[in-house]
Amino acid sequence: ETGVTQSPTHLIKTRGQQVTLRCSSQSGHNTVSWYQQALGQGPQFIFQYYREEENGRGNFPPRFSGLQFPNYSSELNVNALELDDSALYLCASSLEGQGMNTEAFFGQGTRLTVV
Amino acid sequence: AQSVTQLGSHVSVSEGALVLLRCNYSSSVPPYLFWYVQYPNQGLQLLLKYTTGATLVKGINGFEAEFKKSETSFHLTKPSAHMSDAAEYFCAVTRMDSSYKLIFGSGTRLLVRP
Repeated sequence: ETGVTQSPTHLIKTRGQQVTLRCSSQSGHNTVSWYQQALGQGPQFIFQYYREEENGRGNFPPRFSGLQFPNYSSELNVNALELDDSALYLCASSLEGQGMNTEAFFGQGTRLTVV
Repeated sequence: AQSVTQLGSHVSVSEGALVLLRCNYSSSVPPYLFWYVQYPNQGLQLLLKYTTGATLVKGINGFEAEFKKSETSFHLTKPSAHMSDAAEYFCAVTRMDSSYKLIFGSGTRLLVRP
């Protein structure tokens, strides 16, 4: 089975620009969660998508948005980038459903630098 | 609300010594608890998890953790440290009735001295 893959691995953007990060979930998984990990900190939950619908959101502004596609891959979009958005963005996939929640498997992350 | 506190941002041990990384959680409902490891420039790898049942949980690479409800703790231990254990370790919690929306601690960097 394939693991969780994220692209790109590294990205440099200018303040005010927009960015799209991509995640392919592990085969058979229907849920994708996104986390932001600032330097020296633990990951912070951004939002989760379950069967193409947003299923919970952390304390992040609306300029952070996402999509999940029918094949359960996902995108994280960030508009109007700010310097503080510089971080490692992690995607995690899991299989969730009534009475059957698997563990979350993480991708390698995308390192975003905003200058 | 749920939260996780990891005591000690850095822990240094000698190779072969006991590893003890501390984690305390706060949760108003029964929690699921996790320990993840992160190597430089990599994602997170699950070491072990507690959901229900036995409170002593064994994970990969010789690590184990014990869920102590009375102390709201889930400390990670390994009897004998190896150089390859040097990494960042994160404790995380989620609600038993929720999907995997993990709340992470701030992490503990483990240094292993030769």
